[in-house]
Amino acid sequence: QKEVEQDPGPLSVPEGAIVSLNCTYSNSAFQYFMWYRQYSRKGPELLMYTYSSGNKEDGRFTAQVDKSSKYISLFIRDSQPSDSATYLCAMNTGAQKLVFGQGTRLTINP
Amino acid sequence: DVKVTQSSRYLVKRTGEKVFLECVQDMDHENMFWYRQDPGLGLRLIYFSYDVKMKEKGDIPEGYSVSREKKERFSLILESASTNQTSMYLCASSHPRGQGGQTQYFGPGTRLLVL
Repeated sequence: QKEVEQDPGPLSVPEGAIVSLNCTYSNSAFQYFMWYRQYSRKGPELLMYTYSSGNKEDGRFTAQVDKSSKYISLFIRDSQPSDSATYLCAMNTGAQKLVFGQGTRLTINP
Repeated sequence: DVKVTQSSRYLVKRTGEKVFLECVQDMDHENMFWYRQDPGLGLRLIYFSYDVKMKEKGDIPEGYSVSREKKERFSLILESASTNQTSMYLCASSHPRGQGGQTQYFGPGTRLLVL
């Protein structure tokens, strides 16, 4: 069993929809949770990070962590075609290495 | 803003060639990482380094070596390239006491094709 599980998709939604992307994990020692966005043929870019449980909002993006369920989510409101990308979750205990999910490929249709 | 640059965006090499991939970061980060990314397999860690002249094996170090002679530069070496090393190679860096559990910042990637 992988430490971090992420549905690879693909996920296709119409423009303006609310998108929900999720990861589950097995290591209860994880404390830091990140979401990266990766456009085709580019490197991943950091979108958001959260520490421990709770929500964090940044514009149209909301990251949510539920440590009791070992479940993290990224919500995108009012989705735009420019949000079409692969989204990777990542997490660690505070040590240097990150554990990544496989990534979910998202397409927003105009 | 953190800037991580990689020496080439695309490379084509022949089987058996020695290949050098270079990565430079400009934020004085101690930690640097090399990953490869393949469809269906996600990001896999090859090597990482906590400091100059220090290196640690990641999950898939076989067939690779690294060099870190200066803090800002981390090189990945394919001693004798093989076709199964055709992949997207990504470099990243982080600060050991940075915010967010040492979030990593990635370069643009190098697409390597080994013929």
